[in-house]
Amino acid sequence: DAGITQSPRHKVTETGTPVTLRCHQTENHRYMYWYRQDPGHGLRLIHYSYGVKDTDKGEVSDGYSVSRSKTEDFLLTLESATSSQTSVYFCATIDRPNTGELFFGEGSRLTVL
Amino acid sequence: AQSVTQLDSQVPVFEEAPVELRCNYSSSVSVYLFWYVQYPNQGLQLLLKYLSGSTLVESINGFEAEFNKSQTSFHLRKPSVHISDTAEYFCAVSDVDSNYQLIWGAGTKLIIKP
Repeated sequence: DAGITQSPRHKVTETGTPVTLRCHQTENHRYMYWYRQDPGHGLRLIHYSYGVKDTDKGEVSDGYSVSRSKTEDFLLTLESATSSQTSVYFCATIDRPNTGELFFGEGSRLTVL
Repeated sequence: AQSVTQLDSQVPVFEEAPVELRCNYSSSVSVYLFWYVQYPNQGLQLLLKYLSGSTLVESINGFEAEFNKSQTSFHLRKPSVHISDTAEYFCAVSDVDSNYQLIWGAGTKLIIKP
């Protein structure tokens, strides 16, 4: 299994505060993804990266930004958290997208009050 | 655009009974198909995949799925479920036109009744 760690695993914050979630991988995979998981919606892609400093938006990118300054780290930032961003966030990595085999972290549960 | 439908949000089944979890996708162009499993409080992990070749694919723990191009389906089946199969199952599709981005179904919770 790819070594993917997410931090923090749990966070409670207040509306309007900034939040940063970190994803760290040890497999040197080129592609990294941030998803959010909400009941009834499955997984929705927020942002993804196809290399250092190369990122692109997913289907639900509004209110989120990302950065990737090193291959192993992919940061997701909520500049001003809102209650609608309460969710479980998953980081995933893949070496070759045409294989479809994503490796997931264990998730970060964010609650915005 | 590609879409994935998992009609059943929950499937309750007795232990040792057979189960089928349904997955349909919208486009019949060349696609890759996947089933992922999520055990409670964990991330997702790949269960099985279809890229090419035989339309019937199997996992190491007894699940199988069959790619049916004419019906644009990739249903997941197991002849006899165990309590340890309790999890949420996600179907996903990717294709060349979307640069292999995975499109996900909403998930089906498999509930095993003793």
